[in-house]
Amino acid sequence: TQLLEQSPQFLSIQEGENLTVYCNSSSVFSSLQWYRQEPGEGPVLLVTVVTGGEVKKLKRLTFQFGDARKDSSLHITAAQPGDTGLYLCADFSSNTGKLIFGQGTTLQVKP
Amino acid sequence: DVKVTQSSRYLVKRTGEKVFLECVQDMDHENMFWYRQDPGLGLRLIYFSYDVKMKEKGDIPEGYSVSREKKERFSLILESASTNQTSMYLCASSLVGGKQTQYFGPGTRLLVL
Repeated sequence: TQLLEQSPQFLSIQEGENLTVYCNSSSVFSSLQWYRQEPGEGPVLLVTVVTGGEVKKLKRLTFQFGDARKDSSLHITAAQPGDTGLYLCADFSSNTGKLIFGQGTTLQVKP
Repeated sequence: DVKVTQSSRYLVKRTGEKVFLECVQDMDHENMFWYRQDPGLGLRLIYFSYDVKMKEKGDIPEGYSVSREKKERFSLILESASTNQTSMYLCASSLVGGKQTQYFGPGTRLLVL
């Protein structure tokens, strides 16, 4: 069974700082997704990465997919309080086709 | 705008009660899902449905059942609620086919006393 490990589990930073969170898989990713879940809401898809070495940017967020497709990172530049939330990575299981989620990184950005 | 709604944001129930959680989507999606979310464990799939009256067990179906009588509505049922079912419950929907984006509702936070 594929396992997704996210690190760190918790991160508390000041507004304006940069940060990186990580997602590592016990097996090669099929189609990695990053979600953000704001307090009191459901997760919302940010990006899907498929190709090894792929880099995608979404405003101040940069998503990187490892060459071997077993790891991914999310870098946020100049974090803002609106970035506060739970960041989840997820992958489609090649066996079942269902989404498997990591345990998430909780980010708090203080003004 | 895509929309998944859940019947309640917060629920408090007693041990042994029957609990119904309802989910409605307005996107004409074939697939619907029920997850539970617990701190440090991420989201775990309880049940999913790929068509009306069709259902399949997810990773943690014990203690739960589901009903899908109409395409837009997917209900999660706790036949006899227990304290270890205290959790956040999230509903999602997607189009049919592999690797489709899932759209989530806002969640129902259930407390079983």
